[in-house]
Amino acid sequence: ETGVTQSPTHLIKTRGQQVTLRCSSQSGHNTVSWYQQALGQGPQFIFQYYREEENGRGNFPPRFSGLQFPNYSSELNVNALELDDSALYLCASSHQTSGSYEQYFGPGTRLTVT
Amino acid sequence: DAKTTQPTSMDCAEGRAANLPCNHSTISGNEYVYWYRQIHSQGPQYIIHGLKNNETNEMASLIITEDRKSSTLILPHATLRDTAVYYCIVTDYGGATNKLIFGTGTLLAVQP
Repeated sequence: ETGVTQSPTHLIKTRGQQVTLRCSSQSGHNTVSWYQQALGQGPQFIFQYYREEENGRGNFPPRFSGLQFPNYSSELNVNALELDDSALYLCASSHQTSGSYEQYFGPGTRLTVT
Repeated sequence: DAKTTQPTSMDCAEGRAANLPCNHSTISGNEYVYWYRQIHSQGPQYIIHGLKNNETNEMASLIITEDRKSSTLILPHATLRDTAVYYCIVTDYGGATNKLIFGTGTLLAVQP
């Protein structure tokens, strides 16, 4: 069974640039969620994708956007990067069944904005 | 906002049981208690969840009080590899979006 993978591992960008982060979900999972984790804080929910459509969004501006592909992998795109976007970005996959909050997280992408 | 309150940090001796408390006094009848942990520089890992009854799996036990306003995660024989931040999460059953709302968690330090 293949776990959740994310790429790249680390990334350094300049303020104002755009970035794309990638996630491959665990085999058999059809739902992908993205979280942002600032240093010393718990992860914060960004959005979730199910069957290639956004299925819920947290308190993040529209410059955070995403995609899910037919193979259930996903991308997180952030435009017009700000210094506060520096964080660990976590992807989690799950199987969308009623009442289940068991999610499997990848190792994350560490984004630094300078 | 997170619906739970946890101590910021705890210590435990290696080989002893680690008991991590969590208060969720506003929990409603259809909300589950989930526990995740995050080892340094890794993604969070699911541990266990429960609704009313106590639960046990290969990793831990979850004890939920009768009024469901608090719970305790028990690691029966803590090892150094159990050093991590432990998150207690209360979430809706059957919601359209199974998002997890993390607080700041409890940093458990297992001492040799």
